[in-house]
Amino acid sequence: KAGVTQTPRYLIKTRGQQVTLSCSPISGHRSVSWYQQTPGQGLQFLFEYFSETQRNKGNFPGRFSGRQFSNSRSEMNVSTLELGDSALYLCASSWESGYEQYFGPGTRLTVT
Amino acid sequence: DQQVKQNSPSLSVQEGRISILNCDYTNSMFDYFLWYKKYPAEGPTFLISISSIKDKNEDGRFTVFLNKSAKHLSLHIVPSQPGDSAVYFCAASPGRTGANNLFFGTGTRLTVIP
Repeated sequence: KAGVTQTPRYLIKTRGQQVTLSCSPISGHRSVSWYQQTPGQGLQFLFEYFSETQRNKGNFPGRFSGRQFSNSRSEMNVSTLELGDSALYLCASSWESGYEQYFGPGTRLTVT
Repeated sequence: DQQVKQNSPSLSVQEGRISILNCDYTNSMFDYFLWYKKYPAEGPTFLISISSIKDKNEDGRFTVFLNKSAKHLSLHIVPSQPGDSAVYFCAASPGRTGANNLFFGTGTRLTVIP
């Protein structure tokens, strides 16, 4: 079975721009979660999507949003980028909420 | 507020010996715990999990112990191998209640010396 894939792997953006990251879950997995990893804050939960609905949300501003498509693929969007948004963004999929999550390799976003 | 804590940022162990990684949590609502291993430039890899109804779970060289009263869990790796060198994250979840957010510790870097 193919693992979780994320595109792009690396991205450089300028402050004020917006960015869209993509995640394809493991085949058959219906839950997709997004995490942000920074040196200072560690791994923090952004949100979870299940069957095209946001089921759970972490403590991030509204500039961070996401969606899920009928094939379970998910995108996350960050608008009005700030320098502090520079991070590794990880996507994880699981068969159902509360089960083991499998992570993709991440997208390294650098905001200049 | 860090609800999952890994107080040892690093650990060095000789090959063949036991590695013990520790994790503490504060939220009594957590009832599902996981360990992940992470190499640089890769996403975390799931290792082993344990539900709060158990106090031990084994998978090959990896054993996770849970002490609910102390809100403490540990990962034992026996015997340790050089390929185990990585950052290990402890994670906790409210469990199979529909909430899928994992709360991660800050990680412990394990170095296994050949």
